[in-house]
Parts: sequence; structure tokens; C-alpha cells
Amino acid sequence: TQLLEQSPQFLSIQEGENLTVYCNSSSVFSSLQWYRQEPGEGPVLLVTVVTGGEVKKLKRLTFQFGDARKDSSLHITAAQPGDTGLYLCAGVHTNAGKSTFGDGTTLTVKP
Amino acid sequence: SQTIHQWPATLVQPVGSPLSLECTVEGTSNPNLYWYRQAAGRGLQLLFYSVGIGQISSEVPQNLSASRPQDRQFILSSKKLLLSDSGFYLCAWRRGITTYEQYFGPGTRLTVT
Repeated sequence: TQLLEQSPQFLSIQEGENLTVYCNSSSVFSSLQWYRQEPGEGPVLLVTVVTGGEVKKLKRLTFQFGDARKDSSLHITAAQPGDTGLYLCAGVHTNAGKSTFGDGTTLTVKP
Repeated sequence: SQTIHQWPATLVQPVGSPLSLECTVEGTSNPNLYWYRQAAGRGLQLLFYSVGIGQISSEVPQNLSASRPQDRQFILSSKKLLLSDSGFYLCAWRRGITTYEQYFGPGTRLTVT
């Protein structure tokens, strides 16, 4: 089983602060997705990264795929209460035909 | 545009009763479909996936089964529920051949009492 470890598991910050969450594995992935989930709803896709070293930006969110395609990070600048949620990463091994999800980081942004 | 539906939204069932959860996708054909279970505030455990009608792959031995009677319909079932079957059940369809981007339904909250 290929494991994806996310850290920290819980993060509580004040509005306006910056933060970074991590997604790490010993396995190489062909691509990796980040999702955000609110309580009682399904996860919503934020981004897909494919190339080692790739950086993608989505407004205040910056996603980076590690050079070796084994890890990824999500950085949020000037966090807002609307960023609150569970952030999940999912790695894809092409030959396996499916994704492996991490256990997520629960982010709370206090006003 | 594609949409994915799940029902019911919530369900409370006694131990030993049967289960049937339904998922349908609109706006796409021959999607790959997935059933996941999620414990509170945790990651997703893949239960079943299907690449086509009648084709089901099971990921974990359990009290559940899945069927795909139509191209855009995916059903999760159980003959006798256990307390451990409680959880948040999510259906998803996959977009992309190599990137595996998945789009999720709204989920079903199942409580077994």
C-alpha cells in the first residue's frame, strides 16, 4: 500500500496569517491532486500537478509538486475564514489505476 | 456540464438491515466510478471502482458490495449492516486518462444503530 502522509493533521490560525501544509510519500506519483472539503459535503478539486517541480497558483493558494514527484505542499497567503475546511491530497500511480488519499489537514481560520 | 447525484443524503438504519445507496452521473459517458467511505474528519477509503457496466473492482474485504447496472449508475449495497458500516459515503467519477481528477457527489451520511 502506497501511503500519503499529510501534516499537520490540525491547524488553527488567525485571519491574515500565512500557512503551509504538506503531503509526503516514499512513492513516486504520476500526478497529484489537492481537494478541499467542507463538513457534510463532497471534496472539491482545487488543482492537479503533474510535472516534478511544478508550481501552480490559485488566487491566494500556491501548490508545489516536489522535484522527485513524491511530495507536495499547499501554501495559503493571508488566510480567510472561508479557507476553513479539510484539505486532502491524492496521489496517482498510473499502473495502479486509482488514487491514494491522505488523511487530510483540518484548517480553521478564525476571524 | 457534468453533475453527480447521490441519494439518500442521510440514512439511519438498524444493525442487520439491508442497504442500497445510489449514485448517478449526468453529462458524460463511460465514466470511471468510485465509492469511498470517510470517517469523521479523515481521509477517503476506496471501497469499489468500476471502469464499465458490470465491471467492479473491490478494494477491501467487507460487508458491502457494488453494482453498475447502467453506464452512469453505481449502486452500493449490503445485505446486513454492521455498526462499523456507519460513515460518510462518497461517490465520484473520474475525468482524465492520466491525471485521475475526480469529481465527487454530495455524499450520504449513514448511521447504523
